[in-house]
Amino acid sequence: AQTVTQSQPEMSVQEAETVTLSCTYDTSESDYYLFWYKQPPSRQMILVIRQEAYKQQNATENRFSVNFQKAAKSFSLKISDSQLGDAAMYFCAYRRSSGGSNYKLTFGKGTLLTVNP
Amino acid sequence: GAVVSQHPSRVICKSGTSVKIECRSLDFQATTMFWYRQFPKKSLMLMATSNEGSKATYEQGVEKDKFLINHASLTLSTLTVTSAHPEDSSFYICSATERRGGIDEQYFGPGTRLTVT
Repeated sequence: AQTVTQSQPEMSVQEAETVTLSCTYDTSESDYYLFWYKQPPSRQMILVIRQEAYKQQNATENRFSVNFQKAAKSFSLKISDSQLGDAAMYFCAYRRSSGGSNYKLTFGKGTLLTVNP
Repeated sequence: GAVVSQHPSRVICKSGTSVKIECRSLDFQATTMFWYRQFPKKSLMLMATSNEGSKATYEQGVEKDKFLINHASLTLSTLTVTSAHPEDSSFYICSATERRGGIDEQYFGPGTRLTVT
């Protein structure tokens, strides 16, 4: 079974600084997707970034980028120029890529990010 | 972008009664919907996978007779908590899958807070 581990229950960062959230996973699959989701106090889950395992290039979305190390099964999220609105719970998630829409997301336990003004 | 709604957003019910939560994909057809439960400051726990026109697939430990799931159309899935008890109080989140650009994207609803008194 796939597992996703987020070893940092809480992190804090100063506004405008950079922070990196860690995530490791375990799978025997060779092709899969990895995601970072943000859950602000409203509790609406928001997709931050997605990485396809077969792509070597790290995904980026504006201030958000990942460091995907497939051999090490590591998938960290870097937030640059942190903003107050980035404060949220961040979940790392894994999903198999083949077989259609039935494949479920496996979530980590989450990292609560606080942004200090 | 794809939008998923949930109704109601909050519900309070008495112990022993049943409550129904609706999940709708507003601008796309979703062959697969997922139901999650989330406790405070915890991760999302998948309860079941719902496919249009067929029986839901429940995760281990989830009582299918207590949490009835119906997916009668490509835009609507419902979760009915039967004979609710205070321990069923939780935040329930649904998600719906849309195939877009060859990828099955999963979009989340805003959640429903259930309180059983």
